[in-house]
Amino acid sequence: EAQVTQNPRYLITVTGKKLTVTCSQNMNHEYMSWYRQDPGLGLRQIYYSMNVEVTDKGDVPEGYKVSRKEKRNFPLILESPSPNQTSLYFCASRVGFGTYTPLDSYNEQFFGPGTRLTVL
Amino acid sequence: RKEVEQDPGPFNVPEGATVAFNCTYSNSASQSFFWYRQDCRKEPKLLMSVYSSGNEDGRFTAQLNRASQYISLLIRDSKLSDSATYLCVVNRVFGNEKLTFGTGTRLTIIP
Repeated sequence: EAQVTQNPRYLITVTGKKLTVTCSQNMNHEYMSWYRQDPGLGLRQIYYSMNVEVTDKGDVPEGYKVSRKEKRNFPLILESPSPNQTSLYFCASRVGFGTYTPLDSYNEQFFGPGTRLTVL
Repeated sequence: RKEVEQDPGPFNVPEGATVAFNCTYSNSASQSFFWYRQDCRKEPKLLMSVYSSGNEDGRFTAQLNRASQYISLLIRDSKLSDSATYLCVVNRVFGNEKLTFGTGTRLTIIP
């Protein structure tokens, strides 16, 4: 089954304790990204990756790191979590990047099931 | 001003009614447009793309007005299963391609 998986699904931690949220996709997608979703703010992009070893900042990258050593995996790292990083996190992937033309059908973005993180 | 704006709702609509949502976007360089659906505590899923000429998928109709920079979604003969949050999504190709999500419009269909 084609899917994006995330682990853990739920995590409660304390300020300053490093954590990693894993993301994996089995669709051979080049493009992967991380979002956080907060009430009233919608989905905001944290980081994205166009391919292996190519990552870049999204709209809200502060306090986060990512790596893309393999095509299928795109972990999100919080080196020193703080309470303002309490949020619902989604990993997403899509076939490609920069292949858009006005007449192209959309490269659908597939989301993982989400990770609900609470930082105390 | 937010790049993508939606009325957050909630919209409480009786089953069988027609409901319409609008969404406005601020960046005229935006190239493609979509509606995603998100059920409570679940991940967003693509509902439909929005094409310039308007498009229909069963009970759902999407329209785009580039001049006024707004997108609409019409749901006819609403079902209980249509209850969800509907996210307006705009894609711009400006240096780096970027998807921007609206905050969503919450819809509840009442039996």
